[in-house]
Amino acid sequence: NAGVTQTPKFRVLKTGQSMTLLCAQDMNHEYMYWYRQDPGMGLRLIHYSVGEGTTAKGEVPDGYNVSRLKKQNFLLGLESAAPSQTSVYFCASSPVDRADEKLFFGSGTQLSVL
Amino acid sequence: GENVEQHPSTLSVQEGDSAVIKCTYSDSASNYFPWYKQELGKRPQLIIDIRSNVGEKKDQRIAVTLNKTAKHFSLHITETQPEDSAVYFCAASSSGNTGKLIFGQGTTLQVKP
Repeated sequence: NAGVTQTPKFRVLKTGQSMTLLCAQDMNHEYMYWYRQDPGMGLRLIHYSVGEGTTAKGEVPDGYNVSRLKKQNFLLGLESAAPSQTSVYFCASSPVDRADEKLFFGSGTQLSVL
Repeated sequence: GENVEQHPSTLSVQEGDSAVIKCTYSDSASNYFPWYKQELGKRPQLIIDIRSNVGEKKDQRIAVTLNKTAKHFSLHITETQPEDSAVYFCAASSSGNTGKLIFGQGTTLQVKP
């Protein structure tokens, strides 16, 4: 039981390049989330999913797209990377359909956009 | 919109002293308030949480208090130890049964031996 696994762990992009971050969970959780962490700003929700085939916008969705084709996977895409997207990205999952349950976080992806 | 404010941003205490971190939230419909600890270079992990029908919850050296009328909640750590040094995040549930958590900005706690 690996929990929540994120790939890659580190990535450097040039402005305008695209990439996809993969999040996989093996706990059969319904809810999955993508957060970004920036100094002094806490964890801000980018997009989330309440089940296979569903996605919704969070607090800071601009410049990102997501897909949840399979229950266990949640992909975060950057179509045209910008320096403002330099951040640490965390994926998380939760087992129930309410906000009063524990979030299980992945180990994070450090992304630098030059 | 929904907002969670966390103070202080940094906190330094001597080993053995107590530490208190405070958060205020804006959404009166929030009913779940977790606290996460993030050690350097690691992922955030839940350390304690409280629901709106409870005013206080304790777990060994940590406790959380909630004042729903004033819309604020606090984390209390007693007898601090160097291993308590980390970044602590408070969060509040978002209304609308969406599963979202709104996080505070984080508090960097340093416990000096």
